[in-house]
Amino acid sequence: DQQVKQNSPSLSVQEGRISILNCDYTNSMFDYFLWYKKYPAEGPTFLISIGSIKDKNEDGRFTVFLNKSAKHLSLHIVPSQPGDSAVYFCAASDGDSGYSTLTFGKGTMLLVSP
Amino acid sequence: DVKVTQSSRYLVKRTGEKVFLECVQDMDHENMFWYRQDPGLGLRLIYFSYDVKMKEKGDIPEGYSVSREKKERFSLILESASTNQTSMYLCASSFVEQVGGQPQHFGDGTRLSIL
Repeated sequence: DQQVKQNSPSLSVQEGRISILNCDYTNSMFDYFLWYKKYPAEGPTFLISIGSIKDKNEDGRFTVFLNKSAKHLSLHIVPSQPGDSAVYFCAASDGDSGYSTLTFGKGTMLLVSP
Repeated sequence: DVKVTQSSRYLVKRTGEKVFLECVQDMDHENMFWYRQDPGLGLRLIYFSYDVKMKEKGDIPEGYSVSREKKERFSLILESASTNQTSMYLCASSFVEQVGGQPQHFGDGTRLSIL
């Protein structure tokens, strides 16, 4: 049973436009959400996160929106750049316990064309 | 800067062999994790450890074991390698306190092929 879902396997966007990556979750105990970016042959790198007490978090070109009632979050990249082409993973954590783990989605491959 | 180092980038082994994947982190993190990444399946947690000599099963522990004798080192062991264990293996580490959502930091992965 998939608790974190990224329903779009891929997304193509032109340079300079907005990229919107979506993520849905089913476990209402999740209270912290993270986005990771992964280039081929490298490990995932942390991008941005949001706690359930907030509905928006912004870091430069990256903004994450959280809609708890819909159990939905999205990552907006504005403006998109060719270097943003990578696989993006959504992940969720179920508590403040140091022993909590992350549940990952299957990833969305973003391609930003010049 | 956090550094998580996996001992091999590429590894080729034969069916039935015992395989060791090593991971070392230099940030004094309490938590360490092993994942595998497969196309279309995302990252799946195999085992994790929150302290020396402690281990917990993740979502797919079958066919694997782990060892954590020192805080900075976490080893993944394939007891008898099988072809369905061909995959990208990723090690990660984090602080124990998740307040504010301390992110996990990943190594660059080991691409393991079992022939």
